[in-house]
Amino acid sequence: QSALTQPASVSGSPGQSITISCTGTSSDIGGYNNVSWYQQYPGKVPKLMIYDVSNRPSGVSIRFSGSKSGNTASLTISGLQAEDEADYYCCSYTSSITRVFGGGTKLTVL
Amino acid sequence: QVQLVESGGGVVQPGRSLRLSCAASGFTFSNFGMHWVRQAPGKGLEWVAAVSYDGNNKYYADSVKGRFTISRDNSKNTLYLQMNSLRTEDTALYYCAKGWYSSLAWGQGTLVTVSS
Repeated sequence: QSALTQPASVSGSPGQSITISCTGTSSDIGGYNNVSWYQQYPGKVPKLMIYDVSNRPSGVSIRFSGSKSGNTASLTISGLQAEDEADYYCCSYTSSITRVFGGGTKLTVL
Repeated sequence: QVQLVESGGGVVQPGRSLRLSCAASGFTFSNFGMHWVRQAPGKGLEWVAAVSYDGNNKYYADSVKGRFTISRDNSKNTLYLQMNSLRTEDTALYYCAKGWYSSLAWGQGTLVTVSS
């Protein structure tokens, strides 16, 4: 049950697009289309932003999109805004019928 | 609206036990799998355990297997986490979360501190 691998930090300027990668194995990301992404502000509860690789829950901005290729999933935020500055976590279903999270990525809006 | 309210956290000595509860409302609790996820101070999210909608299937992270037990009482709309043989590294904010493959709803969390 090793954690998925995310970059510790990414940054971008307002209006730009950024992509956060999340790398796993064929036993998790590569084997299932059940990758989700969560946004978390300091001291707040995680918020679901993307589920099943590329689906957005109602109310989540269309600026957020997800994709997957092989054992790597990605979260792209377009038209970066100051309010997007937060921690982002990927999560995948696994062959052990468990979940595994990534280590988290701190997004800084310059 | 969907509401999840955790309780039962506190300060406990290493080796002791604690039971967390998560009271659910605003949805048909017995239709959904549920999870416990924890977050150590200043650290990332860690999945802890999951239970199927009917309570018959339970799954655990290796870090808690054999020490923690997840359960649910669908008649009371409540999820539980029995934590035995607690270790200092179990110190974290414990969240309950609704949904099997992803979680749209999370509680506010209950803090567990394991310290002598």
